[in-house]
Amino acid sequence: SQQGEEDPQALSIQEGENATMNCSYKTSINNLQWYRQNSGRGLVHLILIRSNEREKHSGRLRVTLDTSKKSSSLLITASRAADTASYFCATEGPNSGYALNFGKGTSLLVTP
Amino acid sequence: NAGVTQTPKFQVLKTGQSMTLQCAQDMNHNSMYWYRQDPGMGLRLIYYSASEGTTDKGEVPNGYNVSRLNKREFSLRLESAAPSQTSVYFCASRDRGAPGANVLTFGAGSRLTVL
Repeated sequence: SQQGEEDPQALSIQEGENATMNCSYKTSINNLQWYRQNSGRGLVHLILIRSNEREKHSGRLRVTLDTSKKSSSLLITASRAADTASYFCATEGPNSGYALNFGKGTSLLVTP
Repeated sequence: NAGVTQTPKFQVLKTGQSMTLQCAQDMNHNSMYWYRQDPGMGLRLIYYSASEGTTDKGEVPNGYNVSRLNKREFSLRLESAAPSQTSVYFCASRDRGAPGANVLTFGAGSRLTVL
């Protein structure tokens, strides 16, 4: 069954603002990943955080992981119109057979 | 550097028809996956192949079959298509075991409509 649940389902902000998306999951994980999907395209990997890490940065992206609460957040700072996309969290558990379980996604709209 | 290539990109079928979605990767990855994406449902795993010669069911395998033809190719077959199989299908691959290998590389998707 699907592991991650993103919140909110949809988010609309203006260019320059920060966007925060949250992901909650149910069972233990080896790592948690965030992917972006532009309309009509495949998913593209953004960032991976391992279960023993609490925070990770990549450019304008900041990911946090709280394994005690089984939750993660993705922060995009100084958003641009080009950040408009759907964002998915995905988890890999110890018994997942190397497959990732994806959430339902957050749809982000960044307006100029 | 093509990555993961899926064919066809679009297909319309009638109920009961069969078809095969093709997927090929040129990154020498060990593991390959088929997901379907439906509005409001995110991505759900249909089947996967952890390595050449093995296949396993995912979350929603009913109505599908797969073949790992060789290390590069992983096909998904619908034997008797149903309207409930109308979806966008994504193939993905990863290089299991290598450093940083947990990341999936996705194809562009195949949009299937069953009438």
